[in-house]
Amino acid sequence: SQQGEEDPQALSIQEGENATMNCSYKTSINNLQWYRQNSGRGLVHLILIRSNEREKHSGRLRVTLDTSKKSSSLLITASRAADTASYFCAIIVGPGANNLFFGTGTRLTVIP
Amino acid sequence: GAVVSQHPSWVICKSGTSVKIECRSLDFQATTMFWYRQFPKQSLMLMATSNEGSKATYEQGVEKDKFLINHASLTLSTLTVTSAHPEDSSFYICSARGTSGRSETQYFGPGTRLLVL
Repeated sequence: SQQGEEDPQALSIQEGENATMNCSYKTSINNLQWYRQNSGRGLVHLILIRSNEREKHSGRLRVTLDTSKKSSSLLITASRAADTASYFCAIIVGPGANNLFFGTGTRLTVIP
Repeated sequence: GAVVSQHPSWVICKSGTSVKIECRSLDFQATTMFWYRQFPKQSLMLMATSNEGSKATYEQGVEKDKFLINHASLTLSTLTVTSAHPEDSSFYICSARGTSGRSETQYFGPGTRLLVL
């Protein structure tokens, strides 16, 4: 399966703490993307990192990519209650490829 | 940012009826639209990819005669669940990819929750 796997499956932290989620995959990729989904809602694109990039920042988000280990991590710093959501990684396998293959997701709960 | 809408957001229907879900890109033209299905507490699974004016490409295990996809214009794709059964109850999400610039990002609709009784 090209689908990624994420860990932990669920994460509960106090507001203000950092949250780290990991994603592993099995194939070579063109790029990897992180999405957020509030309960029962659509997905919001957070950040895209290309296979030739190692780290990317966007506001309180920091994404790393290690293509040798076929893994990525999403760090949310200074978490807020509003960050409570499910977070998914998704990969695009080849150049010009269309399909996003989603990971299993991490359910993050930030306790105020 | 780019906006994708879906209609309806909720639908409850009787077993055996057909349900049509619309996906629209509101402020950009989408050469490619994608349909996903998500069961509770699970990840999104791609059902099919559609390009404007051509037949959809279905993922393995997805019945094309049951899930009819029409991508009639650069801003509209429809998914029709024909003869729906309770096992078709799910959260259906569409996404759209733009025509210009870096088109690696897919913009997702808010989803349509289908409940088949």
